[in-house]
Amino acid sequence: NAGVTQTPKFRVLKTGQSMTLLCAQDMNHEYMYWYRQDPGMGLRLIHYSVGEGTTAKGEVPDGYNVSRLKKQNFLLGLESAAPSQTSVYFCASRPTGQRGGELFFGEGSRLTVL
Amino acid sequence: KNQVEQSPQSLIILEGKNCTLQCNYTVSPFSNLRWYKQDTGRGPVSLTIMTFSENTKSNGRYTATLDADTKQSSLHITASQLSDSASYICVVSAQGYQKVTFGIGTKLQVIP
Repeated sequence: NAGVTQTPKFRVLKTGQSMTLLCAQDMNHEYMYWYRQDPGMGLRLIHYSVGEGTTAKGEVPDGYNVSRLKKQNFLLGLESAAPSQTSVYFCASRPTGQRGGELFFGEGSRLTVL
Repeated sequence: KNQVEQSPQSLIILEGKNCTLQCNYTVSPFSNLRWYKQDTGRGPVSLTIMTFSENTKSNGRYTATLDADTKQSSLHITASQLSDSASYICVVSAQGYQKVTFGIGTKLQVIP
């Protein structure tokens, strides 16, 4: 059972470069999320999607874009990376109608922007 | 503003000992509270879920409690093992909202 898979797991960028993080889930979940995790802070929501073709902003969306062209994939893009975007990024998914809304997380993608 | 505060920030205990982690929240209207375990370099994994009507719930050596009146939850770990070394994150959901509020987590280290 793959669950939620993130690629790449590690990436180093120079300021101003662009990149895309890919999240794929094989559980047929409707909802997908991108979070960032920084030392001394809780997970913060960047963007989320409630279904194929939909996206919405979270609490820290600036500098990021997302797309959900297929139900199983949720892409997070950085158009012009900044050192402040150095972080560990987690993708999560959850099904609709599940009591309590358990989030299923990927293993994380560690991004360093120099 | 919805907030989740956890204490202590970090904890070191001897293998075999018990410990209790605390979570205070101000999320409203409350829907449920989950405790997640996050091993180093991995994504969080749900341990337990507590709803408004539940006071205590166990999952093996993990026991979560909820006091909805005081807006406090605890996670008690019994007979700790080295594999319990991880961060434990309290996550609170509000009714009718997509977003949840995460605590910073308690980093637990179990030493031999």
